[in-house]
Amino acid sequence: EMQLVQSGAEVKKPGESLKISCKGFGYSFISYWIGWVRQMPGKGLEWMGITYPGDSDTRYSPSFQGQVTMSADKSISTAYLQWSSLKASDTAMYYCVRWSAQNNPCDYWGQGTLVTVSS
Amino acid sequence: QSVLTQPPSVSGAPGQRVTISCTGSSSNIGAGYDVHWYQHLPRTAPKLLIYGNSNRPSGVPDRFSGSKSGTSASLAITGLQAEDEADYYCQSYDSSLSGVLFGGGTKLTVL
Repeated sequence: EMQLVQSGAEVKKPGESLKISCKGFGYSFISYWIGWVRQMPGKGLEWMGITYPGDSDTRYSPSFQGQVTMSADKSISTAYLQWSSLKASDTAMYYCVRWSAQNNPCDYWGQGTLVTVSS
Repeated sequence: QSVLTQPPSVSGAPGQRVTISCTGSSSNIGAGYDVHWYQHLPRTAPKLLIYGNSNRPSGVPDRFSGSKSGTSASLAITGLQAEDEADYYCQSYDSSLSGVLFGGGTKLTVL
C-alpha cells in the first residue's frame, strides 16, 4: 500500500533548529517529487516547494526560499524539511505530498507534522 | 497575479446542491493547466477529490463533480450530506511561479 509517513509532532523554542521527515512506502520513491505544504493555524494550504529524491533537485516557492531546506535520502526513501533557526511564525502543520508533474495532482499526502514554536 | 480565488464559505441544507468556484488567470487555469480539488476534514490530511478538472479517484462518490472553463473551475456537490462538511481547496500549476498554486480554501457548512 502506498503511504507517506511523517515524523511526530515537535515543540521547539525560537532560534532552535529542526528537521522533520517523510518516509515513502509502496512505490518507487526516486520516481516522484516530494512536495511540502504548510498550513498555519486557521489558514489555508501553502505550497513550499519540492525535492526530487532521484537526483536531489530541489525547487522552492519564492516565499520559502532561504527560510527552509528540503532534501531527500533515496537510500532510505525519506525526504526532509529543516529549519536552522525557528521563529514563532513557523508554528504550523506541515504535510508532505507525492507529486509528479505540472499537470498532476498531489495524489498522496502524509498525515502531517505539527510544529509548535514557543518560548 | 498568481492567485486562485475561492469563496471563503458556502452552505447548504442536506440533500441540496452546492458549487464552489475557483478563479485563476492566464498564468494558471487560463494557460491550460489542470485543476484539482481536495477535501480537508478536521484533524485529517487533505484528500484528493477531483483530478484533471473532472475526474474522480476510486472511492470518491459521484455526488462530487468538477468542471473547468476559461480561467475558472468549479466543484459541485449534489445530495449534500453532513459528512461533506469540510474545507475544500482547488489547486493548479502556475507558469509565473513555476510551481503549484492552491486556492485560499472554502469552508462548506451543512445546515
